[in-house]
Formats: sequence, structure tokens, C-alpha cells
Amino acid sequence: AQSVSQHNHHVILSEAASLELGCNYSYGGTVNLFWYVQYPGQHLQLLLKYFSGDPLVKGIKGFEAEFIKSKFSFNLRKPSVQWSDTAEYFCASHLLTGTASKLTFGTGTRLQVTL
Amino acid sequence: GAVVSQHPSRVICKSGTSVKIECRSLDFQATTMFWYRQFPKQSLMLMATSNEGSKATYEQGVEKDKFLINHASLTLSTLTVASAHPEDSSFYICSASRTSGYNEQFFGPGTRLTVL
Repeated sequence: AQSVSQHNHHVILSEAASLELGCNYSYGGTVNLFWYVQYPGQHLQLLLKYFSGDPLVKGIKGFEAEFIKSKFSFNLRKPSVQWSDTAEYFCASHLLTGTASKLTFGTGTRLQVTL
Repeated sequence: GAVVSQHPSRVICKSGTSVKIECRSLDFQATTMFWYRQFPKQSLMLMATSNEGSKATYEQGVEKDKFLINHASLTLSTLTVASAHPEDSSFYICSASRTSGYNEQFFGPGTRLTVL
């Protein structure tokens, strides 16, 4: 079965620090990978996605993620976080089986950015 | 664009009652809608996928007679929790996509259900 692992459950950073959140997926076939963000009191929003091509994906708000197939990883990065980046971050994968789309989510990482 | 709403945002009910949650795509037609359940500090778990005009496809372990899903139009899907019990208390989130197969899913704000 497909699964997504996020190893960092709670991360606390000071403003301007660099961020890297880990994400590993289990399936060895073709997958689409996503990072979603959920700001306090708001709904899930798509940060970025990887389908194919350049493994380094740029997203909104200065976020990027790198797909490393050999490591089954899709880590999220940001060079310098801001207080407004405080949120819950979810990695997700979509398995390409030809059936209706089905996202599998990781458990999420709560990021707290302090001033 | 691509806004999804849910109603109600919060509901508290007595054990044994049924609760209906609505999911609407406000500015686009949603061929496919999804219902997720999220427990505290846990991931979103897909409960079912519904396509407009057809029966929902439930994930393994999800009781279709307990969680009734209706996708009557291209902008509305409803989830009814039948005879709710305290263990059904959770955060329910819907999402919608414009087409079947993969397409970006747009998420609603969620509904917190508390069953007393």
C-alpha cells in the first residue's frame, strides 16, 4: 500500500532561519507529489507539486521541494522563514493507477516560527 | 477562483442523531468530490470519492451505511453521518476537482463534528 511519512512532527524556528521538512513516500512506481499548507483556521492550500521533469520544484511564497527518486523523498525547503509561515504542512502523494485520483497524506508537520 | 465551502463549520449533536454536512464548489463545477476525516494530530484519511450522478466509492473500512454520500449536482456533495456516536467525532474535510482522474483538489475549510 502507498504511504507517506513526515518525520518532523513539530518544528520551531526563529525568523530568517532556513527550513527543511522531510517527506518520504513508499511506492516505487510513478507518483505525483505535493506539499499542502494549512494556516491556522484556514483550509488546505497547495504549495507546490511535482509531476515530472525538473526534480527541483518551485512553489508559492518562496518554498521549493526536491524530488529524489533514489531516496523516495520530496523534502520541502525555504531559505529564510517568516513568522507568517507558521502553519501545518502536509506532504501528499497521488498514485497513478489510472483510476480516480486518490491523495495519500502524511501526518503533517507543525511549523512554529518565532520572532 | 476554485473556492470550496462547507456547512456547517461546527456541529454538536446528541448520540443517535444524524448529521448532514454540505460541500459546495462556489465558482467551478466539480466532477469529483472527496471526503476526508482527520483525527487530532493525525493525517487526513480519505473516506470516499464521489462523482456527480453516480454512487460514491468508499475506502476500505469506511461503512457506506454509516457515512452516506450524495453528489447530486456539479457543485454540491453531502455527507450524512447516520446515527452518530461519540467515536464519529472528528474533523471532516471535503475537496473538489474539476475532472475525474488526477486534477488538483481544492479543499473546504472543514467541519468539526462533536457527538455527545
